[in-house]
Amino acid sequence: QKEVEQDPGPLSVPEGAIVSLNCTYSNSAFQYFMWYRQYSRKGPELLMYTYSSGNKEDGRFTAQVDKSSKYISLFIRDSQPSDSATYLCAMSDRGSTLGRLYFGRGTQLTVWP
Amino acid sequence: NAGVMQNPRHLVRRRGQEARLRCSPMKGHSHVYWYRQLPEEGLKFMVYLQKENIIDESGMPKERFSAEFPKEGPSILRIQQVVRGDSAAYFCASSPPPGQGQRRTMNTEAFFGQGTRLTVV
Repeated sequence: QKEVEQDPGPLSVPEGAIVSLNCTYSNSAFQYFMWYRQYSRKGPELLMYTYSSGNKEDGRFTAQVDKSSKYISLFIRDSQPSDSATYLCAMSDRGSTLGRLYFGRGTQLTVWP
Repeated sequence: NAGVMQNPRHLVRRRGQEARLRCSPMKGHSHVYWYRQLPEEGLKFMVYLQKENIIDESGMPKERFSAEFPKEGPSILRIQQVVRGDSAAYFCASSPPPGQGQRRTMNTEAFFGQGTRLTVV
């Protein structure tokens, strides 16, 4: 069993839709949960991170962590064509967002106009 | 402030040759991380270095792979005697030391480069 599982998609939605991206994990020691966005042929860039359980909102993006279910989500409201990218979840058991990170394989999202 | 610079962007090597991948961190960053992205797989951690020191190499294959981050110059990921299975995108990221940055109480993020795509033929 992989430590972080993520459905690779692809996911295709119309502009303005609400997008839900999810990851599950097996390691209960994970404390920091991150979402990265990766455009084609580019490096990942951090969108947002959450410590432990709870919700965090940043503009059109909301990250949720449910540690009891070992399940994390990223919601994108009012999706735009510019949101088309691969979204990677990542997790850390090292007490910070740095150091060794465990990534999901990424979900490819396309938002069409 | 230039971002993390990786070169070359694309590298083609024949089986058995050596591959050298370079990573220049962002200005002021003393910590470097290397990840490998295989087709249809997520990023896999390889090694975490600070200048002249390996902090965590738990993701490095036991043979043929080595990494360094000297006091001066870029970090180097070296793959000896490459095989077809080494074909992948290799990403480098850099950060200040954990706990530093604009506000000492905040975690900081690691910034990724654009990667080096290694093809072994």
